[in-house]
Amino acid sequence: EVQLVESAGGLVQPGGSLRLSCAASGFTFSSNWMSWVRQAPGKGLEWVANIKEDGSDKYYVDSVKGRFTISRDNAKNSLYLQMNSLRAEDTAVYFCATSSSHSWPYWGQGTLVTVSS
Amino acid sequence: QSALTQPASVSGSPGQSITISCTGTSSDVGGYNYVSWYQQHPGKAPKLMIYNVSNRPSGVSNRFSGSKSGNTASLTISGLQAEDEADYYCCSFRSSPTYVFGTGTKVSVL
Repeated sequence: EVQLVESAGGLVQPGGSLRLSCAASGFTFSSNWMSWVRQAPGKGLEWVANIKEDGSDKYYVDSVKGRFTISRDNAKNSLYLQMNSLRAEDTAVYFCATSSSHSWPYWGQGTLVTVSS
Repeated sequence: QSALTQPASVSGSPGQSITISCTGTSSDVGGYNYVSWYQQHPGKAPKLMIYNVSNRPSGVSNRFSGSKSGNTASLTISGLQAEDEADYYCCSFRSSPTYVFGTGTKVSVL
């Protein structure tokens, strides 16, 4: 059974940093593109970032470029999202998801990140 | 990166069919056959219902079907059931390469 489990989010002050992780199991992690998708409270879904199987290619939505970094450790079956210079508008539930055929068949339960003073 | 346009809400009676539209541009929906649809119940993670415009993942009911014409994709739910009441989002690959979701549609079963 595919499982994706995100680390706990939390409350961060504007301008602060937070690193999310996602532990994967039940599939061959190193053979899959992985993604982060977020959802602001009461709002729609927004794709945040993608990373290739070997980590060599990474893509981001314009609003997080230069502030967020997606990475992975295939030896640990883990995906990460380093978030710096956080803003109020980054407040959201962050989901990690497997990427296949330009879609997301498996999702984690999501973790809430709140940016507020 | 503006979102794809979906109707805010669609409703139908049990057993009826409804269709949700998803309108983009030639740079996303119209340019690629990489449109997917997601169902999301309150407080839950999204669930993939359709990928590559019209393909259903294993385990998804055949009451759900997808199509595309020009810059508009559509999700049709036939034989509407109470459990279909949820939010639905389309998503498309966009050149860069990046992805863009739709604004979301709340489906109500009357």
